[in-house]
Amino acid sequence: DAGVIQSPRHEVTEMGQEVTLRCKPISGHDYLFWYRQTMMRGLELLIYFNNNVPIDDSGMPEDRFSAKMPNASFSTLKIQPSEPRDSAVYFCASSLGQGSQYFGPGTRLLVL
Amino acid sequence: GEDVEQSLFLSVREGDSSVINCTYTDSSSTYLYWYKQEPGAGLQLLTYIFSNMDMKQDQRLTVLLNKKDKHLSLRIADTQTGDSAIYFCAESRGGATNKLIFGTGTLLAVQP
Repeated sequence: DAGVIQSPRHEVTEMGQEVTLRCKPISGHDYLFWYRQTMMRGLELLIYFNNNVPIDDSGMPEDRFSAKMPNASFSTLKIQPSEPRDSAVYFCASSLGQGSQYFGPGTRLLVL
Repeated sequence: GEDVEQSLFLSVREGDSSVINCTYTDSSSTYLYWYKQEPGAGLQLLTYIFSNMDMKQDQRLTVLLNKKDKHLSLRIADTQTGDSAIYFCAESRGGATNKLIFGTGTLLAVQP
């Protein structure tokens, strides 16, 4: 298996622009997680899905952030409008049942 | 406190043992995990321990769990330069094994 796939790997954008991050979980996994990693706040869980349904979005920072999972093999995290403080590495992870989570390589986002 | 705590930095010589410590917060955590993050990469699952165990060994890795003190440690035997990375512990908070709360990370520097 290719593991969790994320795209793009790097994104540089200007404040106010819309940013869309993409994730393909490991085939057969039924849980998908979005995390954000920054120097100041460490690794934070933003939202997670089970069988494509959002279960807990209490970590989503504000209404500018939204996440969708239209099918079992694809999820997006969207930031609109983006702000410089959104600059971070965004990770997607997946798991089978309540097993161990496997992480993708991350998307490095820089908002100027 | 609310945070999963780790010491920030550990320096060892190649061939020595490394011990990375973690204090977690939720006594109902079912699983506790150790992840490794190399520069510019995602988090790689190293090992995990079920809460009813007090020790788990996996090749050069030994995990010790003290539930009374909510203390977790990772020992790496015969540390190699390739072990240089940031190590994160994570607890599954609230009994829901999917929701992981990560520690602050320990940077392990292995000197040749």
